[in-house]
Amino acid sequence: QQQVKQSPQSLIVQKGGISIINCAYENTAFDYFPWYQQFPGKGPALLIAIRPDVSEKKEGRFTISFNKSAKQFSLHIMDSQPGDSATYFCAASIGSNDYKLSFGAGTTVTVRA
Amino acid sequence: NAGVTQTPKFRILKIGQSMTLQCTQDMNHNYMYWYRQDPGMGLKLIYYSVGAGITDKGEVPNGYNVSRSTTEDFPLRLELAAPSQTSVYFCASSYRERTDTQYFGPGTRLTVL
Repeated sequence: QQQVKQSPQSLIVQKGGISIINCAYENTAFDYFPWYQQFPGKGPALLIAIRPDVSEKKEGRFTISFNKSAKQFSLHIMDSQPGDSATYFCAASIGSNDYKLSFGAGTTVTVRA
Repeated sequence: NAGVTQTPKFRILKIGQSMTLQCTQDMNHNYMYWYRQDPGMGLKLIYYSVGAGITDKGEVPNGYNVSRSTTEDFPLRLELAAPSQTSVYFCASSYRERTDTQYFGPGTRLTVL
C-alpha cells in the first residue's frame, strides 16, 4: 500500500495564487521528506526537502510545512507562475535505510495565466 | 556532464519477449536506483545498488533483474515481458555522501502488448 498519501490529485490555480499540496505518512521512522518536481516527458528533479527537526523550510517561492505530531507535511507554492505547471511528488525515506524513497501518488498543478 | 542517461526512450514489446533497459551515469555516483511510474501511483522502487557488485530488491522487484558490474552502468532486465510491466521506467543515482539527493534520468516508456 502507499506509505505516503498525497492530495489533491490535481489542482488549478490562477497566476499569482497559492498552490497547496498535502502529504501524510504512517511510518514514524521516516526522517527525510523531499519534494520532487516533474515536467512532462522528463524525470523528477529534487525541488526542496525537510528533516523532522524543523517545522518549516523556505526556498524562494516554495515552502515546506512539517507537522511531526500529525505526521503530515505540505508544499506551498507562493505567487504561482505558468512555469510551475508540473507534477509534484512528495516522498519520504529513512537515512539508515539507504534513503530509499517512498513516493506519494503525485499532484498535477496547472497555473492559468 | 551528461548526468543520468537512459536508452531506449520508447519501446514496444510483445508478451513473453525480453529486453534490457540501459542506464548510465557519469557523475561517479555510488548509489543507483530503478523506479517504475504508473499513472496515479507515483514512483515505486524496483531495485537499487550501493556500489559495483552490490544490488538489492526494492518494493516491486518481481519480473525484473539487475546487475552492477561497473560504477557507471546499472541495466534493468525484463525476462518475460507481461502487460503489467507497461510503465515508464526511471533510473536515478546519488552520491554516497549525499544519498538523500537522487538525480533522475529522462525515463524509458515501455508498452507490453
